Amino acid sequence: GDSVTQMEGPVTLSEEAFLTINCTYTATGYPSLFWYVQYPGEGLQLLLKATKADDKGSNKGFEATYRKETTSFHLEKGSVQVSDSAVYFCALSAPVSNFGNEKLTFGTGTRLTIIP
Amino acid sequence: GAVVSQHPSRVICKSGTSVKIECRSLDFQATTMFWYRQFPKQSLMLMATSNEGSKATYEQGVEKDKFLINHASLTLSTLTVTSAHPEDSSFYICSARSLAGFRTDTQYFGPGTRLTVL
Repeated sequence: GDSVTQMEGPVTLSEEAFLTINCTYTATGYPSLFWYVQYPGEGLQLLLKATKADDKGSNKGFEATYRKETTSFHLEKGSVQVSDSAVYFCALSAPVSNFGNEKLTFGTGTRLTIIP
Repeated sequence: GAVVSQHPSRVICKSGTSVKIECRSLDFQATTMFWYRQFPKQSLMLMATSNEGSKATYEQGVEKDKFLINHASLTLSTLTVTSAHPEDSSFYICSARSLAGFRTDTQYFGPGTRLTVL
């Protein structure tokens, strides 16, 4: 079955440091790939997504590139801020029926803490 | 836009009682809503997919008689945990997918409901 493996946390970085959170996946066919972020006390929010190989998703300074050859979708940010502290989830979506009810399969989440 | 709410945000109940959790899409219509369960320090596990006006589709290992799902309108889905037991204590999260766009694959998540069964 489909699965997502992401870097275990917690990850603690200083402000302005470079961030990488690794994510690899296993899926049949050609899934869409996502990064979701969960800020303290809030629901998951879509951070970025990519729907086909070599696509780059980007938002709020975060980027991730869909690498089919390595089945990866690593999240990066060049200079993190305290406000980026949250839990980050990598996920994939693959169609399971003709009705388009694509299911999301999540990784375990990576807790990121940025210290001033 | 694309706000999803859940009510209640936190509930504590006695073993053997039933608890209903509501999931609402506030500013869009959702043909499909999803219910997830999240254990501490673990990922979200899909429990069921709910389509408006039809029966929910449950994932393998999820008891449909235990977790009753009703999706009566395009903005409301409910999850009822029947005869709750301490092992049902968890964080329950819903998501909704907008009608806009063919085969749109973006789900919008609610803030979650913390259920504690004593």
